[in-house]
Amino acid sequence: GQNIDQPTEMTATEGAIVQINCTYQTSGFNGLFWYQQHAGEAPTFLSYNVLDGLEEKGRFSSFLSRSKGYSYLLLKELQMKDSASYLCAGLDSNYQLIWGAGTKLIIKP
Amino acid sequence: DVKVTQSSRYLVKRTGEKVFLECVQDMDHENMFWYRQDPGLGLRLIYFSYDVKMKEKGDIPEGYSVSREKKERFSLILESASTNQTSMYLCASSLRQRENTGELFFGEGSRLTVL
Repeated sequence: GQNIDQPTEMTATEGAIVQINCTYQTSGFNGLFWYQQHAGEAPTFLSYNVLDGLEEKGRFSSFLSRSKGYSYLLLKELQMKDSASYLCAGLDSNYQLIWGAGTKLIIKP
Repeated sequence: DVKVTQSSRYLVKRTGEKVFLECVQDMDHENMFWYRQDPGLGLRLIYFSYDVKMKEKGDIPEGYSVSREKKERFSLILESASTNQTSMYLCASSLRQRENTGELFFGEGSRLTVL
C-alpha cells in the first residue's frame, strides 16, 4: 500500500532550527510537496521536490532522497508564527497525491 | 490576490438532510478538488475535476456527488448526510500543468457537523 509517515507533533524554541521528517512509500514517484497549515486556515504551498538534494527558500529548505524514500523540511530562525501543521504529500505514478497526517509544530518562547 | 472561496465556514445539519458545499476560484484554474480532513488522517480526496462538466472519483467518493457546470465553481453534494460525514471539507484548485505537478490553492474549509 501507499503510505506517508511523519511525526505527529514536534516542539521547538523560538530562534532555533527544526527538521520535520517525512518518509514515503508510493507506487512510483513523481515528486514530494510540503504545505503549511495554520490552525483553522487553508493549507498553503511551501515546496515541491522531484530531484534529489536540498532546495532553499528563505528560512525554509526542503530535502529529498529518492533512494531512501525520505524528505525533510528544515525551518531556521524559528518564529512564533511558524507554529502550524506541516503536511507532506507524495505524488504517485498516477500523479495522485498521497498525504501524510501532518506534523503539528509548537514553538515556545 | 488569488482566492478559493468556500461558501460556508461552519454548518450544522441533521442526519438525512441534503447538504451543498460550494467552492469558487478566481484564478481560471482547470483543476478543482474536494478533500476531507479528519484528525490523525491525511487529506483524503473525495472527487476532482479537470474540466467543466467533467468529474472523477477520488479515494472516498461514497455518499458524495459533485457538480462542475462552470469553470470557476465546483460543488460538493451530500445527498443524505450521515454522522460519519462530520468533518472539515477543503476545496482546492490548480493549473493544468504537465502531469499534475502544479501547486494546489486551498479554500479555508467548511466544517460540517451532522447531528
